[in-house]
Amino acid sequence: KAGVTQTPRYLIKTRGQQVTLSCSPISGHRSVSWYQQTPGQGLQFLFEYFSETQRNKGNFPGRFSGRQFSNSRSEMNVSTLELGDSALYLCASSLDGNGDTQYFGPGTRLTVL
Amino acid sequence: GNSVTQMEGPVTLSEEAFLTINCTYTATGYPSLFWYVQYPGEGLQLLLKATKADDKGSNKGFEATYRKETTSFHLEKGSVQVSDSAVYFCALSALKSSGDKLTFGTGTRLAVRP
Repeated sequence: KAGVTQTPRYLIKTRGQQVTLSCSPISGHRSVSWYQQTPGQGLQFLFEYFSETQRNKGNFPGRFSGRQFSNSRSEMNVSTLELGDSALYLCASSLDGNGDTQYFGPGTRLTVL
Repeated sequence: GNSVTQMEGPVTLSEEAFLTINCTYTATGYPSLFWYVQYPGEGLQLLLKATKADDKGSNKGFEATYRKETTSFHLEKGSVQVSDSAVYFCALSALKSSGDKLTFGTGTRLAVRP
């Protein structure tokens, strides 16, 4: 069974731009979560989607948003990029998000110049 | 709120040495506990997990036991290899009515010398 895939793997943007990252979960998984990883803040939860609905949200500004499609694929969008948004963005999928194991993708490395 | 505390790194060991990485947690209810490993340039891989008190998770020679009385989930390996060099994250998952999320520790970098 294929693992979680994320595209693109690397991205370079400038301040003020917006960006969209994509995540395809493991087949049959319905819950998709997003995390931001930075050297200073570590791994922080962004949000979780299940059945096309945002079910859980972390403490990030409204510039960070996401959505999930009927095939469980998910996208996250960051608008008005800031230098501090440079990070590795990780997507994780699980069967139904009820405490079962989350499996991570390789991440998208975003650099904001 | 929920939190995970793990020992500061880096931890540097010689090959075949014994490894312990400490992890303690604070959570309401009965969380599931996980260890993930991250190799350079990659995402997180699940190493092992435990879902209830006294459970022992194990994989690839690594072990961790869910200790509710001490709120701990320390990672151990009897004989490390150079290929074990990576960053190790302890995490917990505490269910809420509004869904699930992982709370991570800060990570411990392990370097194993030949």
